[in-house]
Amino acid sequence: DAKTTQPPSMDCAEGRAANLPCNHSTISGNEYVYWYRQIHSQGPQYIIHGLKNNETNEMASLIITEDRKSSTLILPHATLRDTAVYYCIVRVKVGGADGLTFGKGTHLIIQP
Amino acid sequence: NAGVTQTPKFQVLKTGQSMTLQCAQDMNHNSMYWYRQDPGMGLRLIYYSASEGTTDKGEVPNGYNVSRLNKREFSLRLESAAPSQTSVYFCASSAGGNGNTIYFGEGSWLTVV
Repeated sequence: DAKTTQPPSMDCAEGRAANLPCNHSTISGNEYVYWYRQIHSQGPQYIIHGLKNNETNEMASLIITEDRKSSTLILPHATLRDTAVYYCIVRVKVGGADGLTFGKGTHLIIQP
Repeated sequence: NAGVTQTPKFQVLKTGQSMTLQCAQDMNHNSMYWYRQDPGMGLRLIYYSASEGTTDKGEVPNGYNVSRLNKREFSLRLESAAPSQTSVYFCASSAGGNGNTIYFGEGSWLTVV
């Protein structure tokens, strides 16, 4: 099963771009990379996902390397409300069940 | 938009008591999930249902049972609650299959004393 590695914490200044890295060196060809965030133990909030190509939506951009072994989530203009735990996830099967396997994520702190 | 709705939001149980967490989604999704999250940890999959009438065990199924009542509803039952089951429980749903988004509810905080 593909697993991900993220730094445990990062700081970013308000108004700057936040770049969150993720390594997934054992990802297989048909596995998507998903990003979620969680604020104060609320339900995880979907941000973005991708397979091979870079993706952008109203919240963020996802840059996936050509070999697909790593990716970067970019929050273009971070605000204080972006302080949260960010999870990079490769969708895998756990036993017979299809789902998302969450690690400990990156605690992103936006500094005023 | 309701999305994924869980009840109750908070519950305190005594050891050995039973209870059921309810979950409903209004997005016509095939797949539904139950996760738990312990303090400082990521979410762990308890059970999964790919469609009405089917369920599969996840990473931590012991001590739990589930019922996929219909396409909308997926319940999680604790038959004899233990302090180790004190956790935040999240229900989720998706259209199913690789590449589809999984949407989460707001969580149910359960304390077993």
